[in-house]
Amino acid sequence: QKEVEQDPGPLSVPEGAIVSLNCTYSNSAFQYFMWYRQYSRKGPELLMYTYSSGNKEDGRFTAQVDKSSKYISLFIRDSQPSDSATYLCAMEGSGGGADGLTFGKGTHLIIQP
Amino acid sequence: NAGVMQNPRHLVRRRGQEARLRCSPMKGHSHVYWYRQLPEEGLKFMVYLQKENIIDESGMPKERFSAEFPKEGPSILRIQQVVRGDSAAYFCASSPRRTGGRGQFFGPGTRLTVL
Repeated sequence: QKEVEQDPGPLSVPEGAIVSLNCTYSNSAFQYFMWYRQYSRKGPELLMYTYSSGNKEDGRFTAQVDKSSKYISLFIRDSQPSDSATYLCAMEGSGGGADGLTFGKGTHLIIQP
Repeated sequence: NAGVMQNPRHLVRRRGQEARLRCSPMKGHSHVYWYRQLPEEGLKFMVYLQKENIIDESGMPKERFSAEFPKEGPSILRIQQVVRGDSAAYFCASSPRRTGGRGQFFGPGTRLTVL
């Protein structure tokens, strides 16, 4: 079982729809959770980070963490064609071990105009 | 306020040659991380460095790969005697502190092609 599971998609939705992206993980040591957006042939861009279980909102984006279920989500409201990209979830431990991020494979999102 | 810079953006090498990838972190960031992204694969952590120190290299292949972050100048990821399987996008990220879960900031990547 991989440490972080993420459906690669592609996920295609019409413009204006609410998008739900998800990751599950198996390692209880993960304490910090991030979402990155990556456009084709570009570097990942940090969208949101969160620590505790619950919701965190930033504009059209909401990150949700459920540590008891080891499940995280990213919601995008009023989706735009410019949101079309690959979305990567990333996780980090509390620093006792490796300090690198562990990524999901990414979900390819397509917003249809 | 420049972001993380990487060069070259594209690098072509023949099997057996050496590849040198450079990374300049964001201003004020002293922590550098290298990741590799293989086609159809996610980003994989390779190594974490602070100035003049390798903190964690648990993701680095045991042979042919090395990294440094000297007191002056960029961080360097060096791949000796490249093979076709080394073809990938290599990303550098930086952060102002060691952990804390506030994310790392990525550069545009170097795309290495081994012929």
